[in-house]
Amino acid sequence: DSGVTQTPKHLITATGQRVTLRCSPRSGDLSVYWYQQSLDQGLQFLIQYYNGEERAKGNILERFSAQQFPDLHSELNLSSLELGDSALYFCASSRDSRYWDTQYFGPGTRLTVL
Amino acid sequence: AQSVTQLGSHVSVSEGALVLLRCNYSSSVPPYLFWYVQYPNQGLQLLLKYTSAATLVKGINGFEAEFKKSETSFHLTKPSAHMSDAAEYFCAKWGGGNKLTFGTGTQLKVEL
Repeated sequence: DSGVTQTPKHLITATGQRVTLRCSPRSGDLSVYWYQQSLDQGLQFLIQYYNGEERAKGNILERFSAQQFPDLHSELNLSSLELGDSALYFCASSRDSRYWDTQYFGPGTRLTVL
Repeated sequence: AQSVTQLGSHVSVSEGALVLLRCNYSSSVPPYLFWYVQYPNQGLQLLLKYTSAATLVKGINGFEAEFKKSETSFHLTKPSAHMSDAAEYFCAKWGGGNKLTFGTGTQLKVEL
């Protein structure tokens, strides 16, 4: 158990819909990262927040957005969903935002878009 | 251009045999490299990381990796495979844009 929790574990929805994925980092960690893992694209970095502010951006679509709240939990919002958005979405957290900080991954949310 | 390349999407070894998972990187500056493991239906777990200290890095579960600048490689090894090592392994590089870039992964199968 990494200490990072993600809800829900599974999500099934239809094209065009909007969903919200939630992540609670390990106690004391200030950074939260979001990743997408799919068969087509592999494991890709989406976005990072550090202490409530956006720190780095990866291959995140404009239809996707994220935020980190004062209690440091984070949410990833996916809208206008397409079939290709079906994937496993991971959240990770680290103590700080430096490259050597170990990132601890949550168990993931499996999104299926029908 | 792919900045992290893992050779072999599937590797099969016998229990007790040497495990060798290959990773090559491209980088114009000294890289920071990582190996992660993903067990079925779980998130990723850090095995080890290279941050420009010792070139031979020891990780958890008996794994180690050697950074070879001349070969731009960071291969993962374990002297003796165990059934519990069966998983998917990802090499990653910390690079531009303050982010981790992952390789495509290598599925390790351990046979009796």
